[in-house]
Amino acid sequence: DIQLTQSPSSLSASVGDRCTITCRASQNISNYLNWYQQKVGKAPKLLMYAASSLQSGVPSRFSGSGSGTDFTLTLGSLQPEDFATYYCQQSYSTPFTFGPGTKVDVK
Amino acid sequence: QVQLQESSPGLVKPSETLSLSCTVSGGSVSSDNYYWSWIRQPPGKGLEWIGYIYYSGSTNYNPSLKNRVTISLDTSKNRFSLKLSSVTTADAAVYYCASVGGDCSTGNCQNWFAAWGQGTLVTVSS
Repeated sequence: DIQLTQSPSSLSASVGDRCTITCRASQNISNYLNWYQQKVGKAPKLLMYAASSLQSGVPSRFSGSGSGTDFTLTLGSLQPEDFATYYCQQSYSTPFTFGPGTKVDVK
Repeated sequence: QVQLQESSPGLVKPSETLSLSCTVSGGSVSSDNYYWSWIRQPPGKGLEWIGYIYYSGSTNYNPSLKNRVTISLDTSKNRFSLKLSSVTTADAAVYYCASVGGDCSTGNCQNWFAAWGQGTLVTVSS
């Protein structure tokens, strides 16, 4: 199975801050990497697919980059609704796997 | 826009079979546009992919659960279902159904969990 790690596991930030979350894969997965946002008590929501493609309806302050084993999700200017947990997920091979998550909370 | 809604069995006894269904609206489980998947999340923990089914009925399961899991389609009711046998307390989780979207335009298919149900909490207890 392909293992995904995320760093940091949590971060505290303020509205307007720029935040970067990193996801690392245990092997080369090209750009087969997706990002999700999950708020407490809610289902995850797709933010980015294929590493850098923004899902329809997702604000442009979210951006993704990377290829191979190292990927980043950037929140350009944190808004109050962005405090949540973020997960990466690989679709390079089954079993599809998720990273352990990065919790973004209020500083 | 596809929307999904899980059934809610709530409580399952250890060693019994967990059964869930997911009703799809705004799309058809008979469409070749999507795979249909199950994902679970133990309370306070991360996400685990369980498996998916294609409109043709072909399936792909997580090997960690493969011997216990069955995903099936019910085209007459536009829904798909999950059965997980011999459950233990380790199977207690919020179970989500999801549509798997994708893009094969480059020749290699990208897939992602495009839409999710709200999730249903399954408790395992005698």
